[in-house]
Amino acid sequence: DSGVTQTPKHLITATGQRVTLRCSPRSGDLSVYWYQQSLDQGLQFLIHYYNGEERAKGNILERFSAQQFPDLHSELNLSSLELGDSALYFCASSADSGGAYNEQFFGPGTRLTVL
Amino acid sequence: SQKIEQNSEALNIQEGKTATLTCNYTNYSPAYLQWYRQDPGRGPVFLLLIRENEKEKRKERLKVTFDTTLKQSLFHITASQPADSATYLCALDGGTGFQKLVFGTGTRLLVSP
Repeated sequence: DSGVTQTPKHLITATGQRVTLRCSPRSGDLSVYWYQQSLDQGLQFLIHYYNGEERAKGNILERFSAQQFPDLHSELNLSSLELGDSALYFCASSADSGGAYNEQFFGPGTRLTVL
Repeated sequence: SQKIEQNSEALNIQEGKTATLTCNYTNYSPAYLQWYRQDPGRGPVFLLLIRENEKEKRKERLKVTFDTTLKQSLFHITASQPADSATYLCALDGGTGFQKLVFGTGTRLLVSP
């Protein structure tokens, strides 16, 4: 158990809908990262927040947005969903701001299925 | 374009042998490189981190090398066990300020008894 929690575990929804994925980092970790993993694309970095501020962006679509709250939990909002958004969404956390020079702890993921 | 390449074909080895996995990268100049293990349907688990000025890093049965001239990292598991069967992902810093970790697509390792 990494100490990172994600809810829900599974989400099934229809095209055009909007969903919110939630992540609680490990106790004491200030950084939260979001990743998307699909069969054809592998693990893709979406966005990084550190202590409430956005620090880095990856290939995140404009239909997707995220935020980190004062209690350090984070939410990833996906809107106008398309079939191609079906994937596993992982949240990870680390102790400080360096995503590449720190070990990242991954949550169990949320499996999103768009029908 | 920037690429991180790992062998997409599964690596099959016998228990007790050494598994060697390769990670090659193009158009990156990483200062850090990490290796993760991922089991089906689960989140990746951190294994090792190596810095550009370190040639080699070891942890128990694991060894990682980092050759910035060849733009390659090798990941070795010695005395492999069936429990080592998983997908192994390499990742490196993909942007300024070390904020972003970019992952390869992984290599599946199958260790048979």
